[in-house]
Amino acid sequence: ETGVTQTPRHLVMGMTNKKSLKCEQHLGHNAMYWYKQSAKKPLELMFVYNFKEQTENNSVPSRFSPECPNSSHLFLHLHTLQPEDSALYLCASSQESGLAGGTDTQYFGPGTRLTVL
Amino acid sequence: DAKTTQPTSMDCAEGRAANLPCNHSTISGNEYVYWYRQIHSQGPQYIIHGLKNNETNEMASLIITEDRKSSTLILPHATLRDTAVYYCIVRRRTNAGKSTFGDGTTLTVKP
Repeated sequence: ETGVTQTPRHLVMGMTNKKSLKCEQHLGHNAMYWYKQSAKKPLELMFVYNFKEQTENNSVPSRFSPECPNSSHLFLHLHTLQPEDSALYLCASSQESGLAGGTDTQYFGPGTRLTVL
Repeated sequence: DAKTTQPTSMDCAEGRAANLPCNHSTISGNEYVYWYRQIHSQGPQYIIHGLKNNETNEMASLIITEDRKSSTLILPHATLRDTAVYYCIVRRRTNAGKSTFGDGTTLTVKP
């Protein structure tokens, strides 16, 4: 899928570092999501943004801080992470139907493989 | 959203049809069946979705039983590139953020 891009694709960081993951969607969607996928585990929903407003935070630790400056961009700011935070971080977008007649199908980016040392 | 049950793994010979089953016996009337797949270490890829009628697109066909308690994803001519984990998800259309990805079915296409 080229509709949702994520950078960087790979990231190695120490526990004291601060880094940011970037997601951009080129599909004109109004909702964006962050998921975490740890090794051999199902995807876990972290955050949901609808029309730039955060509508869901699934009890994610404060060392993960999302930012959605506009409907096309989504960031995940990382600071003082732990080794157990090493995972594949996936961004997705969708056009929520509501009154706008969207499809609600989520389209995912390729993910950022994060390793915390 | 309704819970789904899928076999842990399946094998399929290259060039043959791959039929992936999914049980969703508690599905509600307004819940759709979505299928995604995830090739190793990549983002999930949308395949197809349906409500009650059978659906077909360039990737696959989706057969939903009349009582909607189960469905089958059909890849008509499996190739080695179809080796992936396939997820069956049942949810309301306005609940995209609440898609629950279970363990899925690991499909291995063999030469």
